[in-house]
Amino acid sequence: AQSVAQPEDQVNVAEGNPLTVKCTYSVSGNPYLFWYVQYPNRGLQFLLKYITGDNLVKGSYGFEAEFNKSQTSFHLKKPSALVSDSALYFCAVRFPNYGGATNKLIFGTGTLLAVQP
Amino acid sequence: NAGVTQTPKFRVLKTGQSMTLLCAQDMNHEYMYWYRQDPGMGLRLIHYSVGEGTTAKGEVPDGYNVSRLKKQNFLLGLESAAPSQTSVYFCASSFGLAGALAEQFFGPGTRLTVL
Repeated sequence: AQSVAQPEDQVNVAEGNPLTVKCTYSVSGNPYLFWYVQYPNRGLQFLLKYITGDNLVKGSYGFEAEFNKSQTSFHLKKPSALVSDSALYFCAVRFPNYGGATNKLIFGTGTLLAVQP
Repeated sequence: NAGVTQTPKFRVLKTGQSMTLLCAQDMNHEYMYWYRQDPGMGLRLIHYSVGEGTTAKGEVPDGYNVSRLKKQNFLLGLESAAPSQTSVYFCASSFGLAGALAEQFFGPGTRLTVL
């Protein structure tokens, strides 16, 4: 079955330290992978995506993510966390054989990132 | 550009009442989606549309209906609201069949409480 997992409900990190938010998926074929961020009482904002090419993709606000096909992972990273990065982060995957060509996404359950000053 | 807008922002209903949530986008996107967000469950797809006049069921369609009479609007209806439909509802849109542009753009959400 196609699925997306974010194994950590919450990640705590001190400001200035590197952060990692994990995402793994199970699928056959080549998925499209996305990260979104949700600030309190707001909609989801697109951060970055992997479609093809370089496994390391860079996105908004200094975030980057690394696609690892052998481990079926797409972890979100940032070298130096800011308090303002505190938010809910969602990994999402578009599977190539999920509903055909509709751009439908499957979302993980979200990881709350808390950056302490 | 306003992007994706949703009305209303908040609503409280009694069990059995009906209502319609409106989503509008000004990006000329072909595809539109309705999700619900519940704690610990991420976002789940209710219905979606790949073009004006077409709709399809998503992961959790029961109790909801949709219509896409105009390309820029996507309506979500609850005919007889139930407490289990208490949730935050998000609309999203995306370009159609454009792999490199597959990301979805989200509205600010509607917080619905059914008593």
